[in-house]
Amino acid sequence: DGGITQSPKYLFRKEGQNVTLSCEQNLNHDAMYWYRQDPGQGLRLIYYSQIVNDFQKGDIAEGYSVSREKKESFPLTVTSAQKNPTAFYLCASTRQGANQPQHFGDGTRLSIL
Amino acid sequence: KQEVTQIPAALSVPEGENLVLNCSFTDSAIYNLQWFRQDPGKGLTSLLLIQSSQREQTSGRLNASLDKSSGRSTLYIAASQPGDSATYLCAVGGGADGLTFGKGTHLIIQP
Repeated sequence: DGGITQSPKYLFRKEGQNVTLSCEQNLNHDAMYWYRQDPGQGLRLIYYSQIVNDFQKGDIAEGYSVSREKKESFPLTVTSAQKNPTAFYLCASTRQGANQPQHFGDGTRLSIL
Repeated sequence: KQEVTQIPAALSVPEGENLVLNCSFTDSAIYNLQWFRQDPGKGLTSLLLIQSSQREQTSGRLNASLDKSSGRSTLYIAASQPGDSATYLCAVGGGADGLTFGKGTHLIIQP
């Protein structure tokens, strides 16, 4: 079945550590997105990529980095510069075109040790 | 900057009732509006997408309307069931550069 796979489901970060969240899709979608969700809040856009080897900052990119070396993969690194990383991270993808629905993975919950 | 507001924040109704969830947005220059469902600890499931040129979309017991000029959308759920209990999120799209989300409506359907 086609879909979006996020791993791991749960992740713990120590002080000063960088951690990487994986997002893989087999939907042949061109665009991919990373969102952050805090309790009782809507989702906020971190980074997005419309094509391989190109990506743009979203509303809250500080302390995060991404890469898009393959169409299927869009990993997110939470760096030590992100002082409040505890949140639920969601990856999404969509076909090209302004009116295509976004499809989401099941998320990664990141906590601080 | 686009802002999306959802009312009410929480709603609890008996099974079988028809209900309406509301969403408003500040900038009418949108490409589309999407309604999602989120179960606890899970990702989002897309329910309906309304393009800016459309007035409504229907899927089963769900009907979503869009009034772009007034910046409003409603999600109508007919004959509610306990399985409809979830958080419902409204999001507006400005093209390929991501969605702007509301904070959601937490819905509980009492058996």
